[in-house]
Amino acid sequence: SAVISQKPSRDICQRGTSLTIQCQVDSQVTMMFWYRQQPGQSLTLIATANQGSEATYESGFVIDKFPISRPNLTFSTLTVSNMSPEDSSIYLCSIMGSGPGNTIYFGEGSWLTVV
Amino acid sequence: AQKITQTQPGMFVQEKEAVTLDCTYDTSDPSYGLFWYKQPSSGEMIFLIYQGSYDQQNATEGRYSLNFQKARKSANLVISASQLGDSAMYFCAMSPTGSARQLTFGSGTQLTVLP
Repeated sequence: SAVISQKPSRDICQRGTSLTIQCQVDSQVTMMFWYRQQPGQSLTLIATANQGSEATYESGFVIDKFPISRPNLTFSTLTVSNMSPEDSSIYLCSIMGSGPGNTIYFGEGSWLTVV
Repeated sequence: AQKITQTQPGMFVQEKEAVTLDCTYDTSDPSYGLFWYKQPSSGEMIFLIYQGSYDQQNATEGRYSLNFQKARKSANLVISASQLGDSAMYFCAMSPTGSARQLTFGSGTQLTVLP
């Protein structure tokens, strides 16, 4: 499977600031996804990022809060804007791989703590 | 709509023994895929095993096997010969075939392997 790298792996952020998370894949992929995992919770899909088009956001997530870029087939960024403590989560980049059943593969995750 | 239920918030197993993690699901899709992921304390999500709804045989991957009972809508993960490194959170997930965006996760089971 592809190698998916995320930066930063961890960060402590001040309330009201914004942080951009980078996701780099070592091969070209069509579909990339961004998930959020709040403390002690399961994963929730934020948006689907396709190259050359705007991201598709899931219910409860908006572009102003979570702008996403997808400049090419190997890279994407997710920005968490105007952060509050409720944004403290693990943010996970993922791709649809060539595995069975269109398996979703994940990056290492970015732990954000908002203080 | 899909739903995944994992009824075991926490499980303990002795090293070298086998353990079964339960997963039941509900879906109206005629064709779907079931997935298990492992999340160590580091936060990354590691794909373990996949089962297609029309697969005749239960999936196996090394020490992992999936006990798929379609009529009961269950897809339990069996880990044989548990190792200390198996201590992690385990998530069951499902998606309609060909629709990775609709990947739905259960609430997870925290497995602790005891020496």
